Amino acid sequence: GAVVSQHPSWVICKSGTSVKIECRSLDFQATTMFWYRQFPKQSLMLMATSNEGSKATYEQGVEKDKFLINHASLTLSTLTVTSAHPEDSSFYICSARHLFRGPTEAFFGQGTRLTVV
Amino acid sequence: QKEVEQDPGPLSVPEGAIVSLNCTYSNSAFQYFMWYRQYSRKGPELLMYTYSSGNKEDGRFTAQVDKSSKYISLFIRDSQPSDSATYLCAMSGTGANNLFFGTGTRLTVIP
Repeated sequence: GAVVSQHPSWVICKSGTSVKIECRSLDFQATTMFWYRQFPKQSLMLMATSNEGSKATYEQGVEKDKFLINHASLTLSTLTVTSAHPEDSSFYICSARHLFRGPTEAFFGQGTRLTVV
Repeated sequence: QKEVEQDPGPLSVPEGAIVSLNCTYSNSAFQYFMWYRQYSRKGPELLMYTYSSGNKEDGRFTAQVDKSSKYISLFIRDSQPSDSATYLCAMSGTGANNLFFGTGTRLTVIP
């Protein structure tokens, strides 16, 4: 199956600093990547959808200036949490979808656990 | 009302039991119905998907969709300790980008 690599798998940072999370599709071209946030015992909440070469589309309530998304190539998207605060601590997961493929063929990264202290 | 409702459990069963996991939904436009398995601190992996109504079987796993009741199920036969994980249902409309997830049901299979 397709492989999506997310890095780092965990990160601890100080309040006020920025953290970058990378999401790579290793063996396919992903025109669309999705970024989710998951709190303990809760569902995956879509934060934003990014299309290669375009600006990301953010879900309602997600601050685009705080969660910067870049999707500069067909295999790489990055999420930068700027000026992180303890309430940003969460599990962040990316998902990448094949060019011309449907919703059943979105593959997930292994997730990044962010802890802001 | 949430788009997708799923009993979060937790659910504990003995090895060999039949497990039934369920989700309900409210959006009649959903056409793709998926089940993901997520191990602790990992991303979800797709187990099975069904398009529109009906059943689909893959080994010990069977997915059922009843669109008239807006109800989907995942059955696991002869459950194994390695099946212990959180199971998430997800749904999407035709041509849509977004997946709508349930909260996930945490399953523990006891040896």
